[in-house]
Formats: sequence, C-alpha cells, structure tokens
Amino acid sequence: QKEVEQNSGPLSVPEGAIASLNCTYSDRGSQSFFWYRQYSGKSPELIMSIYSNGDKEDGRFTAQLNKASQYVSLLIRDSQPSDSATYLCASVLSGGYNKLIFGAGTRLAVHP
Amino acid sequence: SAVISQKPSRDICQRGTSLTIQCQVDSQVTMMFWYRQQPGQSLTLIATANQGSEATYESGFVIDKFPISRPNLTFSTLTVSNMSPEDSSIYLCSVEGDGGAKTQYFGPGTRLLVL
Repeated sequence: QKEVEQNSGPLSVPEGAIASLNCTYSDRGSQSFFWYRQYSGKSPELIMSIYSNGDKEDGRFTAQLNKASQYVSLLIRDSQPSDSATYLCASVLSGGYNKLIFGAGTRLAVHP
Repeated sequence: SAVISQKPSRDICQRGTSLTIQCQVDSQVTMMFWYRQQPGQSLTLIATANQGSEATYESGFVIDKFPISRPNLTFSTLTVSNMSPEDSSIYLCSVEGDGGAKTQYFGPGTRLLVL
C-alpha cells in the first residue's frame, strides 16, 4: 500500500514567521508531487507542484523535494493569518497510473 | 486552469435514497476523478472516469453503490445509491489540467448529510 505521511498538527506559528510543512512518501517510483491548501469548508486548491530534486520557489512558497530520502516539504515565508488552513501533500502513483495519493494533511494556524 | 462546477453544493438526504451529483467543466478534459472526503479526513479516490469507457473503481468502491456516467468530455455524474449515514461526506470531482504532469484541479464539492 503506497502511502503519503504528514504530521496532522496543528502547526502554530506567529505572523511573519516561516512555516515548515513536511511530507514523506513510500512509493519510490513517484515522480510528481503537489501541495494543496484547503480552507475549512472549501475544496483543495493547488499551490505548488514539484518534479525535480531541489527547491522550487513561487512567491512566499518554496517546495523542496529529496527523492533519495523520499521527502517533500513546503516552506511558507512571512506567514499570514490568511495562510491558516490544512495543507495536503500528494504524490502521483508510479506505474503509469493517473492516481494521486494524498496525505492526511497538516493543519497550520498562523496567529497575530 | 479549468473552471469546475458541481451540483448540488449540499444536500440532506434520507437513508435508503439515492443522490446524483453533477460535475461540469468549462473545457474538454480527458480524465475526471471522483473523491470522497469524510469529516476530518483526507481525500480518498472513488473512481476515475474517462469519456467513452467504463469508470475504473478503487478498492472498496463498487459500481452498484457509486455508478458513474461520463457522456462527454465536459461532464460527469456520480450517484450515491441506497445511502446510509456512513455516506455522509464531501464528494469532490477533479480534472487533470495543463499545469504539469498529472496535475489535478478540484471542483467546489458537494456536502452530503444522510439522516
């Protein structure tokens, strides 16, 4: 059973700090990884995708991928209260499938 | 990314009845997916729906309980049949977009409560 693991949190950070969200995956063949943000009562919204080892930056968000360690992370710089949400990590199942495997999500709370 | 709508946005149903959820996309897409998100949990894939072929169901989900139609490249329906309170959940459709390999975008979801 291929899995994606996340700490459920809550992760509490002060406004303006860096929030670090982590994810590990068991499918060594996975090549594509995604971070979704889900506000309470809303559907998941794609915020980052990453396919290669290293860092990928988009505004205040940086995704990091280490395939050797099977580890994906999301850094949120200058965290704002509006970033408070559940962050879902997902990987594409290897083997030619079109399936995403989701982690349970990490709840982030940014306090003023 | 594609604009995705779902109907109904929410419903309260009696056990033993069925509900059909519609998913409409503003552009043609090959792959559509149906997920369930139970309260406080993450997303579980129910099935993958390709136009012109039978839906592919994941382990634990069967066609008799969750029949799916995919009549064209912009539309799909999911029916939740013979409902029980355990079916109370959010049902989400998603489509594979042009944002990169296997990127999926989600509709707003249908919130279902079964009494």
